[in-house]
Amino acid sequence: AQSVTQLGSHVSVSEGALVLLRCNYSSSVPPYLFWYVQYPNQGLQLLLKYTSAATLVKGINGFEAEFKKSETSFHLTKPSAHMSDAAEYFCAVSADSGYSTLTFGKGTMLLVSP
Amino acid sequence: DAGVIQSPRHEVTEMGQEVTLRCKPISGHDYLFWYRQTMMRGLELLIYFNNNVPIDDSGMPEDRFSAKMPNASFSTLKIQPSEPRDSAVYFCASSLAHVAGAVADTQYFGPGTRLTVL
Repeated sequence: AQSVTQLGSHVSVSEGALVLLRCNYSSSVPPYLFWYVQYPNQGLQLLLKYTSAATLVKGINGFEAEFKKSETSFHLTKPSAHMSDAAEYFCAVSADSGYSTLTFGKGTMLLVSP
Repeated sequence: DAGVIQSPRHEVTEMGQEVTLRCKPISGHDYLFWYRQTMMRGLELLIYFNNNVPIDDSGMPEDRFSAKMPNASFSTLKIQPSEPRDSAVYFCASSLAHVAGAVADTQYFGPGTRLTVL
């Protein structure tokens, strides 16, 4: 079984500030981890994914995430927030065992103020 | 590729009516997923198919919901009869099966169908 916990349903930052969205996972097998972004009235779009290669993963739009096995975490960061980053972000976990379904977290809404 | 295509984008119907949502996955993908998103429950997996065969429908809320995939390029999610609590955004996603040791598959989502049942 696998699960994901995203800490904070809403995160507010100022434009230019550091973005940190937290994700902790639980998995009985080595996990694959994903971050998706959802803009208003759109589907989910992949930001980045961890697939047991490099622990620091770089994604689109300047985002990156670091896999920390000891902390069972996969936090998403961006050095400098932009207004266009305002969206909902979902962390998800799957496992390379048989059929690969994703288990999503509840999502974190990122608010960016000028 | 045009990505995952869903229709209609918006559907407003009255309680008791039949609703059919449609999905065209990305060509060549062999997994297809149906999700439901609500404020209260977040993103829920309803059912998924592999090579047009339903693999797990344990997320389908009740018998009023049914899904089919008659061929590799088309799937439907039907609700009959619809109820106000079915109001949600329904997403379809597709992916390629991954090979053990290779890159994990990524699910590609459609734009969703916003369903409102009055």
